[in-house]
Parts: sequence; structure tokens; C-alpha cells
Amino acid sequence: DVLMTQSPLSLPVTYGESASMSCRSTESLLYSDGNHYMDWYLQKPGQSPQLLVYFASSRASGVSDRFNGSGAGTDFTLTIREVEAEDVGIYYCMQSLYTPYTFGQGTKLEIK
Amino acid sequence: VQLQESGPGLVKPSETLSLTCTVSGDSLSGHFWSWIRQPPGKTLEWLGVVNDRSSDYSPSMQTRLTISSDASKNQFSLHLNSVTAADTALYFCARTTVGGHHDSWGQGILVTVSS
Repeated sequence: DVLMTQSPLSLPVTYGESASMSCRSTESLLYSDGNHYMDWYLQKPGQSPQLLVYFASSRASGVSDRFNGSGAGTDFTLTIREVEAEDVGIYYCMQSLYTPYTFGQGTKLEIK
Repeated sequence: VQLQESGPGLVKPSETLSLTCTVSGDSLSGHFWSWIRQPPGKTLEWLGVVNDRSSDYSPSMQTRLTISSDASKNQFSLHLNSVTAADTALYFCARTTVGGHHDSWGQGILVTVSS
């Protein structure tokens, strides 16, 4: 299985500041169609996960432009500009190039 | 689109866990539909996916898991046999795009395996 490793596991951030988290895969997630099959999800407390970014850098419908996904190959980053209270939760990366699809262990974003 | 999981919240060890996901606001046809679970305090685990023609499973679940769909009811189902305490989890159903990302999720259903 492709292993997805996220860092940090805990990310304390001050309101209004930027936050950045990393996800690394054990295999390249670049497919022949030019897309990286890597997504970011946010699971807010007590809720189901919601899709934030797909194909490494495409924001899902309705997602704030404060969220920016980047990266290539095996290394990916999610950056959140001007963190708000509603951004609190656990962020998961997931690869969908190889089955079984696999998730990272999550980065918990909290407000200082 | 809305997805809603239903089924028993408690299953005995060695028995079969059966869950149903009812989809509204979209047709099952032409899409992929997944089951994903989350043991308490742990990360997410993709279990498998179904569409009009076929299903695909995580190798770790393949011998125990069946995912099927019923277009007439706009539902898809999960059947996991020989369950143990390790199958205790929050089970989610989700719509999965051709690109593999899950763009709509159910609220989840907690299933506990215990005698």
C-alpha cells in the first residue's frame, strides 16, 4: 500500500496567521494524464470529512481561496491563509492513484 | 446530493455487518460510490467502491467484504462478514469521482462490534 505521511501531527496557529502542513507519499502520485491524484480533506469536530483540494491543487466547489494546495511527485503542501476559527479540525491527505486509496494520519489544526 | 447511512449500531463478533447508503439528489448511475471507515481516534480507511458495472475492494478487506448497489432504490450497501472488535468504527459512505476524490459524504454511522 502507498504510505501517506503527514507533518506536523499538531499545528497550533494564531488567528489571522498562515498555516502550512505537509504530506509525503511513498510513490509518485503523478499519472500520465498530467494530474497528481492527491486530495486534501478537512474533518471538523463531530462532522464527516469534506473535500478541500483535489488533483493536488484544484479547490473543490465552495472552498475558500484561503486554501491552497501545491506540490508534485511525492511531496505536497496545504497552506491556509489567514486562519479562521472555522478552520479548526483534522486535515487528511489521501492518494487515489493506487488502490487501496490511502489516507495520512492527519494534521490537527488548533488555535493558540 | 445527500447521502445517509443506515443499519445496526451494534453487531456481535463473528456476525455480518450490513449497512445501506441512501442517495438523494443524484442518480447512482454514472458515478462511483465508496465506503470508508474511521476507528475511534484513528485515521480514515478506504474499504471499497462500486459503480454500475463493478466493485473494487481494499485487499485487506477483500475476503470479507461485499459492496453492491441497487439503482431502483438509489442505494448501495456494505456487507462485512466475520466481524471482530477491530471492525468497530464510524462508517461513512461517499460519492467518488472518476478522479478518485470523495466529493460528498454521509454523516457516518457508528458501529460497535461487541457481544
